[in-house]
Amino acid sequence: DTAVSQTPKYLVTQMGNDKSIKCEQNLGHDTMYWYKQDSKKFLKIMFSYNNKELIINETVPNRFSPKSPDKAHLNLHINSLELGDSAVYFCASSKSTGRWGNEQFFGPGTRLTVL
Amino acid sequence: QKEVEQDPGPLSVPEGAIVSLNCTYSNSAFQYFMWYRQYSRKGPELLMYTYSSGNKEDGRFTAQVDKSSKYISLFIRDSQPSDSATYLCAMTKGRSNAGNMLTFGGGTRLMVKP
Repeated sequence: DTAVSQTPKYLVTQMGNDKSIKCEQNLGHDTMYWYKQDSKKFLKIMFSYNNKELIINETVPNRFSPKSPDKAHLNLHINSLELGDSAVYFCASSKSTGRWGNEQFFGPGTRLTVL
Repeated sequence: QKEVEQDPGPLSVPEGAIVSLNCTYSNSAFQYFMWYRQYSRKGPELLMYTYSSGNKEDGRFTAQVDKSSKYISLFIRDSQPSDSATYLCAMTKGRSNAGNMLTFGGGTRLMVKP
């Protein structure tokens, strides 16, 4: 009965490779997000999708491409991985029509290490 | 200068102490304020959510917002070792479907010693 799930939990890969991270939420939310948390613990928004439509794209390199096949899924594909992409990536979701409209629930994170 | 500033700590307190965690911010447009707790190697978990200025209490946790000073606080009463985690403040101008994003502080690491 996991609310927001991500796969894989750990990802170790070589520079230059292409990889994908998957996210699914079973909360019935209509908005999903990808965040990057660096080694200093700063959480930075990368993308936000509302009803499968991209609404936030925060100066992320073109190598990162999100895809939302439906409201419950938001995947992140990364091309040509670089050392600086090593971080923990979190998926989150929220219900935009709720009382506050921005109460976000986070997944467990995917720890990406680029060698 | 970051939009949201938070002392990284670590903050070490004995069990049972009252803990005060704080954030300052520079953007007066922020209206919704949140506190998240993040255990090591886990995702952030929403603790408290407040709108505009004022206080909100939930069990041992109290959130305070002072918009005139651009200052928010989280108080933890009767702190327990299980409260040991990193606490992140977050804030936003409005609803997510209008393109408003959460801006996070860097987190304060709290250690409660038995």
